[in-house]
Amino acid sequence: AQSVTQPDIHITVSEGASLELRCNYSYGATPYLFWYVQSPGQGLQLLLKYFSGDTLVQGIKGFEAEFKRSQSSFNLRKPSVHWSDAAEYFCAVDPGGYQKVTFGTGTKLQVIP
Amino acid sequence: SQTIHQWPATLVQPVGSPLSLECTVEGTSNPNLYWYRQAAGRGLQLLFYSVGIGQISSEVPQNLSASRPQDRQFILSSKKLLLSDSGFYLCAWSDRGQGVTDTQYFGPGTRLTVL
Repeated sequence: AQSVTQPDIHITVSEGASLELRCNYSYGATPYLFWYVQSPGQGLQLLLKYFSGDTLVQGIKGFEAEFKRSQSSFNLRKPSVHWSDAAEYFCAVDPGGYQKVTFGTGTKLQVIP
Repeated sequence: SQTIHQWPATLVQPVGSPLSLECTVEGTSNPNLYWYRQAAGRGLQLLFYSVGIGQISSEVPQNLSASRPQDRQFILSSKKLLLSDSGFYLCAWSDRGQGVTDTQYFGPGTRLTVL
């Protein structure tokens, strides 16, 4: 079955430290890939997306993500986390061909001073 | 630019009461529209989606319904709310005319508490 997995439910990092959030998918072909961020009580904001081409994608707020076909992964990274990055992050996969977008269950990021 | 609005922002309703949540999109035409529910710690659950006026697809059988009376208006309704309907409801749109993928953009959400 097709699926999206975010293995880390909750992650805590210190402000200024680097961050990597994991996302793995299980689809037959290379899908379209997204990362969203949700601050408490807010809607989801699109951080970045991968369609094709360069496997390292730059997004807003200093985030980037790397698509690795061999590992079926699309991990989100940031070199130096700010306290304002504390939020929940969702990976999403669009298989294309009018199939539905599937969201992962999210990773909550806590940033400590 | 495109914007998406949801109304109301918060709602507290008794069990058995009716529900109407509204979502409107500005700055685009013929969008795909979606209703999601987010229960605590459970990610996003797709409830309904619509590719045009009067065209509604349901993903999860339940006591909720959706309607699309106008191109950029999407309404989520219930005749009788259950306790389990509590959650955070998100509306989203995508521009089905752009390319082959379905980049979705979300509204600010409605927090529904059923007591």
